[in-house]
Amino acid sequence: EPEVTQTPSHQVTQMGQEVILRCVPISNHLYFYWYRQILGQKVEFLVSFYNNEISEKSEIFDDQFSVERPDGSNFTLKIRSTKLEDSAMYFCASSEARDRGPEAFFGQGTRLTVV
Amino acid sequence: RKEVEQDPGPFNVPEGATVAFNCTYSNSASQSFFWYRQDCRKEPKLLMSVYSSGNEDGRFTAQLNRASQYISLLIRDSKLSDSATYLCVVNSVGGYSTLTFGKGTMLLVSP
Repeated sequence: EPEVTQTPSHQVTQMGQEVILRCVPISNHLYFYWYRQILGQKVEFLVSFYNNEISEKSEIFDDQFSVERPDGSNFTLKIRSTKLEDSAMYFCASSEARDRGPEAFFGQGTRLTVV
Repeated sequence: RKEVEQDPGPFNVPEGATVAFNCTYSNSASQSFFWYRQDCRKEPKLLMSVYSSGNEDGRFTAQLNRASQYISLLIRDSKLSDSATYLCVVNSVGGYSTLTFGKGTMLLVSP
């Protein structure tokens, strides 16, 4: 069964450092997303990406964040100058087509710990 | 006002029991509705989409009441493996179908 894969599974970084979280969406999917979940809280939308550009972003997704699809398979989330409050589980997701409704499939997540 | 609201639980039920979860959403223009399940420290996994006419998938039945902005999930004959957090999810209106999650309802099924 096709799946979304994310690397690394766990990333520890020092406050102020930059991190890049990587994702390989399901191959025939066209819409890509990043969500995050702070421990004990709900899953929150960060950004959606379609046709090589951001299609929607939340208030959380400020200038500290950026996304990129550097090649035909990878989808990355860069967090610059990390803060303690960026510690969370970051989920990548992809969906096949908007018309089918956002039946998004999630990767297993990257647990980011900022120390 | 919270966009998607759920009773956090936990719901403690014995194996074989029937349990129902409810969810309310605030955006009346929402168009797509889902139940996801999330195991501890794992990713959300799509359980089922929720259609206006109601839909069933094995032991799981989902209902949508647009007038009351209310979604339900019924689990019959609970299994130990059903223990998880059940997330009510609604799409955001306008464009590219971002998902708004409830905080989830925890279910614990005991032997």
